[in-house]
Amino acid sequence: AQSVAQPEDQVNVAEGNPLTVKCTYSVSGNPYLFWYVQYPNRGLQFLLKYITGDNLVKGSYGFEAEFNKSQTSFHLKKPSALVSDSALYFCAGNTGGFKTIFGAGTRLFVKA
Amino acid sequence: SQTIHQWPATLVQPVGSPLSLECTVEGTSNPNLYWYRQAAGRGLQLLFYSVGIGQISSEVPQNLSASRPQDRQFILSSKKLLLSDSGFYLCAWSSARDSIEPSNQPQHFGDGTRLSIL
Repeated sequence: AQSVAQPEDQVNVAEGNPLTVKCTYSVSGNPYLFWYVQYPNRGLQFLLKYITGDNLVKGSYGFEAEFNKSQTSFHLKKPSALVSDSALYFCAGNTGGFKTIFGAGTRLFVKA
Repeated sequence: SQTIHQWPATLVQPVGSPLSLECTVEGTSNPNLYWYRQAAGRGLQLLFYSVGIGQISSEVPQNLSASRPQDRQFILSSKKLLLSDSGFYLCAWSSARDSIEPSNQPQHFGDGTRLSIL
């Protein structure tokens, strides 16, 4: 079965430090991978996507993600965290069609 | 620019009552439309998707139904709500131009409806 896993329920980081939110996938074929962010009582906002090509993908608000095929990972990163980055982050994947598989989400806390 | 609207933002309904949640998209034509349920602020479950007027695909058998009476309108309904229907319901759209593979298109979400069943 295809799946997207986010192994950490919560990530804590100090403001100004680099952050990483982990994602691994298990899908057949070549995956299309996405990261979304959700603020309280809001819908998900698209951050970035990987389709093919360069393994380092740059997205909105200074976020980037690294696709690693051998490790089947797609970790979200940011060089310097802001308090305003505190939110719920979702990794998602799709290999074709209309059904995108979402991870369970990782809550990011950035402390001032 | 494209926008997506969902209403109401919150809804409290008694068990056994009907439901109608609406979603409309502006600024794009013939979008793919989706209904998700998010439980306890965590993972998303795809309920329905639609590629055109009157075309609905159901992902999970349940107490809910969906309809698309107009190109940019998507409605989630139930005839009789159950306690288990409580949750946060999200509508989303993605681009569906002929040359675009739907699976590599990002989805754009509304701000959701929080449904509580008493």
